[in-house]
Amino acid sequence: KNEVEQSPQNLTAQEGEFITINCSYSVGISALHWLQQHPGGGIVSLFMLSSGKKKHGRLIATINIQEKHSSLHITASHPRDSAVYICAAPRPPYNTDKLIFGTGTRLQVFP
Amino acid sequence: NAGVTQTPKFQVLKTGQSMTLQCAQDMNHEYMSWYRQDPGMGLRLIHYSVGAGITDQGEVPNGYNVSRSTTEDFPLRLLSAAPSQTSVYFCASSQLYQGANSPLHFGNGTRLTVT
Repeated sequence: KNEVEQSPQNLTAQEGEFITINCSYSVGISALHWLQQHPGGGIVSLFMLSSGKKKHGRLIATINIQEKHSSLHITASHPRDSAVYICAAPRPPYNTDKLIFGTGTRLQVFP
Repeated sequence: NAGVTQTPKFQVLKTGQSMTLQCAQDMNHEYMSWYRQDPGMGLRLIHYSVGAGITDQGEVPNGYNVSRSTTEDFPLRLLSAAPSQTSVYFCASSQLYQGANSPLHFGNGTRLTVT
């Protein structure tokens, strides 16, 4: 079992749909990262959260520490949201940046 | 602000050749790292550095060397390229003041093919 697992692996949606991507982890964490990898390959950091919820534009990330689960939501999805979304959790001990990455969720949003 | 600059973007090597992937950041970040990304697998840490003069191994360090002579630069050296090193390589940096609780900034990646 991978220490960080994402679901689904692939996701297609029509423009305007509400999207949810899930991340489950088996390690205790200090913070969980959500990243976006563009079709061209570049990776950007979307969120880093250790509790509750964070929102940036149409993106919302939530985390439940007790259940070791995080979700990334996209409201009113748009074709430009098409990308691979990756979650990552720090490997103990947490004073380092040794992250364990999920294999990613490939999202395609069609007009 | 250039962020993290990674070169080259593409490289083809023959087995046994050596090369250096360059990575530079202009954000005064203490932490820098190299990852490789292979199909069906998550990013895997090759080597990392928590400051100038300090480097350490990640999950998959064999066949790679790094050095950190300045805060800005963190080159990755392939000593004798092998087909198993065909991959996409990413350099990343972050502030270290909160340990693992700092967002990562990534370079644009290097697609390396070893024949």
